[in-house]
Amino acid sequence: DTAVSQTPKYLVTQMGNDKSIKCEQNLGHDTMYWYKQDSKKFLKIMFSYNNKELIINETVPNRFSPKSPDKAHLNLHINSLELGDSAVYFCASSPRGRGSSTDTQYFGPGTRLTVL
Amino acid sequence: DQQVKQNSPSLSVQEGRISILNCDYTNSMFDYFLWYKKYPAEGPTFLISISSIKDKNEDGRFTVFLNKSAKHLSLHIVPSQPGDSAVYFCAASYNFNKFYFGSGTKLNVKP
Repeated sequence: DTAVSQTPKYLVTQMGNDKSIKCEQNLGHDTMYWYKQDSKKFLKIMFSYNNKELIINETVPNRFSPKSPDKAHLNLHINSLELGDSAVYFCASSPRGRGSSTDTQYFGPGTRLTVL
Repeated sequence: DQQVKQNSPSLSVQEGRISILNCDYTNSMFDYFLWYKKYPAEGPTFLISISSIKDKNEDGRFTVFLNKSAKHLSLHIVPSQPGDSAVYFCAASYNFNKFYFGSGTKLNVKP
């Protein structure tokens, strides 16, 4: 009965490969997010979807493409992986997101991506 | 350009004493602030939040203080327990457009 789940938990791959990370939430939330935790431990938002609509698209390389097949899923596809993509990627969801007066994000356990 | 900063990477406190974790921000537009707790190999977990219309919010052993003029946020844990040992992130947002996180403070509560 995990609230926000991500797969895989660990991903080790070679430079130049294409990989995907999957995220699912069973909380009935309207908004989902992808964050990257860099080497300095900052959590930086990458994308946000509200009811399958892209609402936040930060300045990330276009090698990163989110896909939201439905409200409960937000997958992250990364093309032509580079060494600098090595990080921990967190998926999150929130009940309301855009336009709400209060909101809280629920995070998945993270996916540690290592690019060799 | 980091808009939310946690300048203390770590803090060590004796069990039963007060833990004070600090957070500074630069954007005066922020109107909602949160604290998250993170254990190793897990995602951050929401702990407590405060709206910019308040200067204090309390939930059990956890109290968050907001000083808007100083653009400063703090989390007080009283009394601290060994189970509180974790990394604490502060975060801020405006209009819930997006959330900005600090780099975290690792709290160690010694028995």
